[in-house]
Amino acid sequence: GNSVTQMEGPVTLSEEAFLTINCTYTATGYPSLFWYVQYPGEGLQLLLKATKADDKGSNKGFEATYRKETTSFHLEKGSVQVSDSAVYFCALSESGYSTLTFGKGTMLLVSP
Amino acid sequence: EPEVTQTPSHQVTQMGQEVILRCVPISNHLYFYWYRQILGQKVEFLVSFYNNEISEKSEIFDDQFSVERPDGSNFTLKIRSTKLEDSAMYFCASSPTAENGYTFGSGTRLTVV
Repeated sequence: GNSVTQMEGPVTLSEEAFLTINCTYTATGYPSLFWYVQYPGEGLQLLLKATKADDKGSNKGFEATYRKETTSFHLEKGSVQVSDSAVYFCALSESGYSTLTFGKGTMLLVSP
Repeated sequence: EPEVTQTPSHQVTQMGQEVILRCVPISNHLYFYWYRQILGQKVEFLVSFYNNEISEKSEIFDDQFSVERPDGSNFTLKIRSTKLEDSAMYFCASSPTAENGYTFGSGTRLTVV
């Protein structure tokens, strides 16, 4: 079956540091890949997505590239802010299906 | 910006009791979902609902669970006889199409004691 593996958290960074959160996946077909973010006390929000190999999703300074050869979709940001502190979830859905398979989530803590 | 609203935000119930978790999806959305996250574990799919019927459900969604859209605006998840292991955060989501444009609610934390 499908699965998503994310790096364990929490990830603790100082403001303006570079962020990488690793995500790898297992899927039978050609899935779409997503990053969701959950700020404290709020719901899951779509951060970015990529629907085919070599696509790059980007939003709010975050980027992730769909790497079929390494089955990865790592999240990166060049300079994090305190307001980026949240839990980040990597997820996939099989082509043509809407059900999402999530990773466990990675908590990011950014200090001033 | 339109929101998916879930109530209550936190519910405590005794084992064996029935609970109903409520969701108000975005008004022009047609597809509705429930997911849950047991503390420290993955967010897991429970069920999807379209055109007044279940379109897909996971192994977790057994006979103890049911969903309903009773009045054209609310979308409810009922757990008939709660177990300790049902304690989790339950997320409702809706989307306008079957493609992935989910909007999630902020969740209901269910604690079964």
